[in-house]
Amino acid sequence: AQSVAQPEDQVNVAEGNPLTVKCTYSVSGNPYLFWYVQYPNRGLQFLLKYITGDNLVKGSYGFEAEFNKSQTSFHLKKPSALVSDSALYFCAVREGDSNYQLIWGAGTKLIIKP
Amino acid sequence: NAGVTQTPKFQVLKTGQSMTLQCAQDMNHNSMYWYRQDPGMGLRLIYYSASEGTTDKGEVPNGYNVSRLNKREFSLRLESAAPSQTSVYFCASSHRTSGRFYEQYFGPGTRLTVT
Repeated sequence: AQSVAQPEDQVNVAEGNPLTVKCTYSVSGNPYLFWYVQYPNRGLQFLLKYITGDNLVKGSYGFEAEFNKSQTSFHLKKPSALVSDSALYFCAVREGDSNYQLIWGAGTKLIIKP
Repeated sequence: NAGVTQTPKFQVLKTGQSMTLQCAQDMNHNSMYWYRQDPGMGLRLIYYSASEGTTDKGEVPNGYNVSRLNKREFSLRLESAAPSQTSVYFCASSHRTSGRFYEQYFGPGTRLTVT
């Protein structure tokens, strides 16, 4: 069955340190992978996606993610965290080859401490 | 360019009441979606519309109906609200062409409480 796992409910990082938010997936066929961010009382905003090609994908606000096919992972990273990065982060994967529905992870709360 | 808009922003219903959540997008997207978001559960797809004139059930369709009124508008109706439908509802849209998959753009959400 298709699934997405975000193993950490919360990640705490000091401002200026690198951050990683983890995501692993299980789908049939080639995965299309996405990261979204949700600020308090707001809708979700698209950060970046992996469709094909280079395993390192760069996105908005200095975020990047690395696709690792052997580990079925798509971890979100940023070299230097900002307090304003504090938000809820969601990983999502497309289900199947012809279906365009997304399967969503449960979300990871990222807290950046000054 | 407003993107995806939703009305209302907040709503309180009594059990058994009905209501319609409205969604509109001005990005000329083919596909539209309705999700609900509950704490610790991520987003769950209620219904989607691949293109104008089509709608399909998602993961949690029971208790809901949808109408794709035209390319811009996609409404979600609760015929007889239940406390289990207390949630935050998001509408989203995306472009779609054969063989390609695009990111979804989300509205600001509707916070619904059913008492």
